[in-house]
Amino acid sequence: NAGVMQNPRHLVRRRGQEARLRCSPMKGHSHVYWYRQLPEEGLKFMVYLQKENIIDESGMPKERFSAEFPKEGPSILRIQQVVRGDSAAYFCASSPNAPSNYGYTFGSGTRLTVV
Amino acid sequence: EDKVVQSPLSLVVHEGDTVTLNCSYEVTNFRSLLWYKQEKKAPTFLFMLTSSGIEKKSGRLSSILDKKELSSILNITATQTGDSAIYLCAGFNEKLTFGTGTRLTIIP
Repeated sequence: NAGVMQNPRHLVRRRGQEARLRCSPMKGHSHVYWYRQLPEEGLKFMVYLQKENIIDESGMPKERFSAEFPKEGPSILRIQQVVRGDSAAYFCASSPNAPSNYGYTFGSGTRLTVV
Repeated sequence: EDKVVQSPLSLVVHEGDTVTLNCSYEVTNFRSLLWYKQEKKAPTFLFMLTSSGIEKKSGRLSSILDKKELSSILNITATQTGDSAIYLCAGFNEKLTFGTGTRLTIIP
């Protein structure tokens, strides 16, 4: 069981470019959560997805950010027209069902730097 | 809006000391409270607490939940330099709401 896999580990984008972050949940997990961690801050919930459905996107910025979890393949967090303030660590977590009684398993994160 | 507050924000102690980290929560439809340890990468799971007053232990770490006070503490005894990390507390309903963490530094 490979755990939650995120790639890339590090991503550098120029202002105005697009960033695509990928998350493959643990085997057998059909629920995916994205969190953002700004420097020196805690993790902030962004979005909760099941296969082909967005369940809760209350933490997503209204513009430029989108997420999907298709029937096949990884979950994708997409940030369009990135700005310096998007620089952060983005963590993905998965659980087998919702709500899980065991919290979530986190991936190692993608560190996005916008230059 | 759900809210989790941790204190202190930062703590520096000498190796061998005992520390207590605090967490208070306001989480609708609360199900459980979780503690994570974060070093330079992903948070790693420490404890999940669902029932009030029942201590969970793992080696030198222990934690307890007080549902009446909406709070939890994490104790670390005989601290070691490897305990240096950010300790995150999170309230769980359908998602985790994290506090900002306590940065613990252990001085040899």
